[in-house]
Amino acid sequence: DGGITQSPKYLFRKEGQNVTLSCEQNLNHDAMYWYRQDPGQGLRLIYYSQIVNDFQKGDIAEGYSVSREKKESFPLTVTSAQKNPTAFYLCASNRYRGNTGELFFGEGSRLTVL
Amino acid sequence: GQNIDQPTEMTATEGAIVQINCTYQTSGFNGLFWYQQHAGEAPTFLSYNVLDGLEEKGRFSSFLSRSKGYSYLLLKELQMKDSASYLCAVASGGYQKVTFGTGTKLQVIP
Repeated sequence: DGGITQSPKYLFRKEGQNVTLSCEQNLNHDAMYWYRQDPGQGLRLIYYSQIVNDFQKGDIAEGYSVSREKKESFPLTVTSAQKNPTAFYLCASNRYRGNTGELFFGEGSRLTVL
Repeated sequence: GQNIDQPTEMTATEGAIVQINCTYQTSGFNGLFWYQQHAGEAPTFLSYNVLDGLEEKGRFSSFLSRSKGYSYLLLKELQMKDSASYLCAVASGGYQKVTFGTGTKLQVIP
């Protein structure tokens, strides 16, 4: 079945370490998105990409980096520059580049910094 | 920039109707989404409005007024399982940026 796969589901890291969260989709979707959610809060946009080798900063991009080398993959790196990285991270994808339709979400990755 | 406002919390009775409002300010509006999210889970899609008017889908309906920057989600015949957060999101701009509001936590009581 088609869908979006995020890994790992749970991740622990020490302060000062970079960590990369994986997001893979086999839906043949053009657009992909990364969001961060803190307890009791809404989703905040980190980065998004409409096509391969192109991506845009969202509202809270500082301390994060992404790449889009393949249509199916949009990994997110949480760098040591991110001051408060403990959060629930959600990846999403969307079919149309020129007309936003339904966003499909992965199950999320929960990052805890010790 | 964008600004999306929703009430933080609402309480409603099982079997009743509840309306959750969302107001937004944005340039280059492309559409408005409603998502449902249970605690600890990913959001699930409820509706997507591009044009003005009411979209009905079973017990859920969503309304959009682009001129007023206003939408609402209407839930009928409330069930206990409808207790969740409801997220309003706006798509805008040529790069299809999708921005979410802070969400409305709905509690359904017997």
